[in-house]
Amino acid sequence: EDQVTQSPEALRLQEGESSSLNCSYTVSGLRGLFWYRQDPGKGPEFLFTLYSAGEEKEKERLKATLTKKESFLHITAPKPEDSATYLCAATTSGTYKYIFGTGTRLKVLA
Amino acid sequence: EAGVAQSPRYKIIEKRQSVAFWCNPISGHATLYWYQQILGQGPKLLIQFQNNGVVDDSQLPKDRFSAERLKGVDSTLKIQPAKLEDSAVYLCASSLGRGARELFFGEGSRLTVL
Repeated sequence: EDQVTQSPEALRLQEGESSSLNCSYTVSGLRGLFWYRQDPGKGPEFLFTLYSAGEEKEKERLKATLTKKESFLHITAPKPEDSATYLCAATTSGTYKYIFGTGTRLKVLA
Repeated sequence: EAGVAQSPRYKIIEKRQSVAFWCNPISGHATLYWYQQILGQGPKLLIQFQNNGVVDDSQLPKDRFSAERLKGVDSTLKIQPAKLEDSAVYLCASSLGRGARELFFGEGSRLTVL
C-alpha cells in the first residue's frame, strides 16, 4: 500500500536553530514529491515539487531534498514566521492520487 | 490571479442534518479535488474531477456524501445526513493537470457536527 510518513510530529526550535523535517515514502513508482506549508485556519500552500532522487530546491530559508526513499525539508536559521505545519505528499506513476503525510507542526520561538 | 474560493468558511449543524459546500477553482484548472482534513491529520481525498467527470471517488462515503461539478467549473459537496465524525475541514483544491502538478487549495470550510 502506498504510504507517506512524516517525522517528527511536532518540533520546537529557537530562532536561528537549524533543523530538518523528514518525509519517508513507500509508493509504487514516484511521480512527484510535494511540500506544502499550512498555517492555522488556512489551506495548504505549495512550496516545492521534487521529481527524482538527488534533486534539490531552495526558497529563502527552506531547502528540500529527495532520495529514493525519503525527502527532507531543511530549515536554516528559522524565524518565528516559519511556524506552521509542513505537509508532504507523493503522487505515483500508476495513479493520479496525492498521498499526504500527517504533517510536522513546527514552532519557532523568538 | 484569483485563488480557489470556498464557502461557507464555517458551518455548525446538528447530526442528521444536511450541509453543502461550494468551491470555485482557479480559472483554467481542469482538475478539482475535495479533501477532508480532520484535526491533526493530513488531507484525505474524497473525490477528484477532471473537467466535469469523476476520476476517483473511491474514498467518498457514498451513502451520505455526494459531489458534482457543473460545466467543468464550480463544484458542490453535500453531506446528508451528517454524523459526528464528519466534523472536519473540507478543502477544495485545483490544478492544471493530474499527478505531477502542484495543488492550489482554498481556505477550507470548517464543519462542526453537534
